[in-house]
Amino acid sequence: NAGVTQTPKFRVLKTGQSMTLLCAQDMNHEYMYWYRQDPGMGLRLIHYSVGEGTTAKGEVPDGYNVSRLKKQNFLLGLESAAPSQTSVYFCASRALAGYTFGSGTRLTVV
Amino acid sequence: SQQGEEDPQALSIQEGENATMNCSYKTSINNLQWYRQNSGRGLVHLILIRSNEREKHSGRLRVTLDTSKKSSSLLITASRAADTASYFCAGGFNNAGNMLTFGGGTRLMVKP
Repeated sequence: NAGVTQTPKFRVLKTGQSMTLLCAQDMNHEYMYWYRQDPGMGLRLIHYSVGEGTTAKGEVPDGYNVSRLKKQNFLLGLESAAPSQTSVYFCASRALAGYTFGSGTRLTVV
Repeated sequence: SQQGEEDPQALSIQEGENATMNCSYKTSINNLQWYRQNSGRGLVHLILIRSNEREKHSGRLRVTLDTSKKSSSLLITASRAADTASYFCAGGFNNAGNMLTFGGGTRLMVKP
């Protein structure tokens, strides 16, 4: 089925480790987004991309980097994980009628 | 900061009753969108209402938008146990990234 696929679904990191979250969409959408969701705070935008080769900062970009080398993929990197980055991460791509979200990556930093 | 704020934060009703959730936002928007999130899953787009629209329907869903009050409501009629989920409103802006800014959500429980 067409949609947004996130990998991995779960991950536990130690403080200071690095990792990359992968988001892939097969709908040929130009715009892609990375959000984090924390209890009681809704979703907050980390970074976004308006097309291949472009990225921009969102509301909470510190501690994260992103890359959009291919239109279908949007990667989110944690350079040096901190416990404050424990969260559920959602990737989304934008269609005319609304966003399509992936099923999320639950990340725990210990 | 969150653009939208949902009210109530939690709502518990019996199957068959109607559920109404409200959303207030702070700045002018291009559109207002509602999403549903089942526990442990991603968000699913329900409905989009543009700033020049006042009301929109989709199946058992009815959304209203009052731009003068910067508020929106989502009504789910004849609720079902399967409607149990969190519901989020999100303001869409006509900016470079067409980004959405989400509220904290309303947790709806529909008891069978």
